[in-house]
Amino acid sequence: GNSVTQMEGPVTLSEEAFLTINCTYTATGYPSLFWYVQYPGEGLQLLLKATKADDKGSNKGFEATYRKETTSFHLEKGSVQVSDSAVYFCALLHTGGFKTIFGAGTRLFVKA
Amino acid sequence: SAVISQKPSRDICQRGTSLTIQCQVDSQVTMMFWYRQQPGQSLTLIATANQGSEATYESGFVIDKFPISRPNLTFSTLTVSNMSPEDSSIYLCSVEGTSGSSDTQYFGPGTRLTVL
Repeated sequence: GNSVTQMEGPVTLSEEAFLTINCTYTATGYPSLFWYVQYPGEGLQLLLKATKADDKGSNKGFEATYRKETTSFHLEKGSVQVSDSAVYFCALLHTGGFKTIFGAGTRLFVKA
Repeated sequence: SAVISQKPSRDICQRGTSLTIQCQVDSQVTMMFWYRQQPGQSLTLIATANQGSEATYESGFVIDKFPISRPNLTFSTLTVSNMSPEDSSIYLCSVEGTSGSSDTQYFGPGTRLTVL
């Protein structure tokens, strides 16, 4: 079945450090891939998405590239800020489906 | 995108009571979803609610415990019945995007429930 695996947290970084959160998926066909972010005390917000191989989603300095050959969708940011502290969820939605599959979430702490 | 509101935003309830959570969307949507997020955990889908039909529940969730209403295309309620401390979670309403973003789910701010 479809599944999403992302790196365990928490991840602790200093401000302006480079961020990578790994995400790999298992799915048949060509799912859409997403990163959602959950700030403390809030619901989930869509951060970025990619719908086909080699697409790059980007938003707020975050990027992720849909790599079909490695079934990955790693999240990156060149310089994190304290305000990026949150939980990040990788997710997929299979083509023609309606149920989004979420990874376990990775908590990011950014220190000033 | 869709703008989703939930009420209440949080509540503290006594064991054995029930709580109804409301979800309002600013546009008409076919499918609405209810998720549970237990402390420190990822999201678990409770059920999918289409207007005019009974909700479809995921494995491990039953209608008697989590009755859902979907009276129109912009509104849904989830009731958590006969609550126990194990029901303490964030409950999230979600909808599929409208045209141009129908492959994306959008989430409400969540209802943080604590059961004593």
